Amino acid sequence: AQSVAQPEDQVNVAEGNPLTVKCTYSVSGNPYLFWYVQYPNRGLQFLLKYITGDNLVKGSYGFEAEFNKSQTSFHLKKPSALVSDSALYFCAVSSSTGNQFYFGTGTSLTVIP
Amino acid sequence: NAGVTQTPKFQVLKTGQSMTLQCAQDMNHEYMSWYRQDPGMGLRLIHYSVGAGITDQGEVPNGYNVSRSTTEDFPLRLLSAAPSQTSVYFCASSYTLDRASYEQYFGPGTRLTVT
Repeated sequence: AQSVAQPEDQVNVAEGNPLTVKCTYSVSGNPYLFWYVQYPNRGLQFLLKYITGDNLVKGSYGFEAEFNKSQTSFHLKKPSALVSDSALYFCAVSSSTGNQFYFGTGTSLTVIP
Repeated sequence: NAGVTQTPKFQVLKTGQSMTLQCAQDMNHEYMSWYRQDPGMGLRLIHYSVGAGITDQGEVPNGYNVSRSTTEDFPLRLLSAAPSQTSVYFCASSYTLDRASYEQYFGPGTRLTVT
């Protein structure tokens, strides 16, 4: 069965410091991995995805994510956090064999000025 | 393009009432889906469709019906509302060629309260 785990409900980081939001996955077949961001009272917005190729994926707003097949992880990173990055972040997975997407429970990121 | 639109934004229902949540997209996406978002549980897939006339169940389909008569519209019907259906509902759409690899576009959500 496909699943995604986001082990941290809350991540706090100081402005200007690097940030990491963790995600691990379980999927049958080749994994397709996504990160989305949700601002208060809004729908989810796509940040980046890993389908195949380079393990380091670059996305919107300076975010990047590293795919690690041996650790079944897809952590979201940014070298220097901004206060405006404060939001709820979701990791999601689908598989090459399926029609369904599975989301993690979300990680609330707070960037402290 | 308006993207994915949802109506209404807010709704309060009494237990046992029925209603339809509307979703429309103008991007010619074949894949459309409905999720519910609950605190601590992330997004869970209710139903999805890979094209007009084709629908299938997701993770939590009980108590909900869908139909897809056109590419643009994908309404979600609550047959007999229950307090457990209090949630925020999101509609999403994406391209369907090699469908699993395409990101989804989300609507703004409908906040539903069942009393």
